[in-house]
Amino acid sequence: DIQMTQSPSFLSASVGDRVTINCKASQNINKYLNWYQQKLGEAPKRLIYNTNNLQTGIPSRFSGSGSGTDYTLTISSLQPEDFATYFCLQHNSFYTFGAGTKLELK
Amino acid sequence: EVQLVETGGGLVQPGKSLKLTCATSGFTFSNAWMHWVRQSPEKQLEWVAQIKAKSNNYATYYAESVKGRFTISRDDSKSIVYLQINSLKEEDTAIYYCTWGGYGWGQGVMVTVSS
Repeated sequence: DIQMTQSPSFLSASVGDRVTINCKASQNINKYLNWYQQKLGEAPKRLIYNTNNLQTGIPSRFSGSGSGTDYTLTISSLQPEDFATYFCLQHNSFYTFGAGTKLELK
Repeated sequence: EVQLVETGGGLVQPGKSLKLTCATSGFTFSNAWMHWVRQSPEKQLEWVAQIKAKSNNYATYYAESVKGRFTISRDDSKSIVYLQINSLKEEDTAIYYCTWGGYGWGQGVMVTVSS
């Protein structure tokens, strides 16, 4: 089974900051990596699919990069509505989720 | 618009069974590979099961943690996917989501296993 290690678990930032969240797979996942945002009481919402493809309707301040085992989500300039929890998901072999990053207002 | 609606959750005793239903619309269900994912009270997301399309012989796959107790199935005529959960354990307590390819998600249904 593929394991996903997501970091950091918590991130404190301010509006306007640039933040990055990382996911490391236990083996090559061939860029089959999605990023999700989840707010309290809601289902996860897909932001990025297959490493760097922006989901329709998602602001361009969100971007993804990576290859092999290492992947990154970048939010270029935090907006108030971005404070939420973020998960990565590998779908190269079934699904494995990262443990999540809770992004909080500093 | 893609929509998925899960029903069938509730409070159940350990050892009992439950069947979750996910009704879908807005996409070609018969071609879709469908999944069930659960989120624990600690917010960890865990893939539970997958069912492929008719063209893939409705192949099914399960997480090791649920193999032998959970059964995923589908009714293409109704655009519905099911999750039969048997021999429930307290560690099965979670919000259960169905998802189409990780893109469309339902709102989730709560399953609480407690005596």
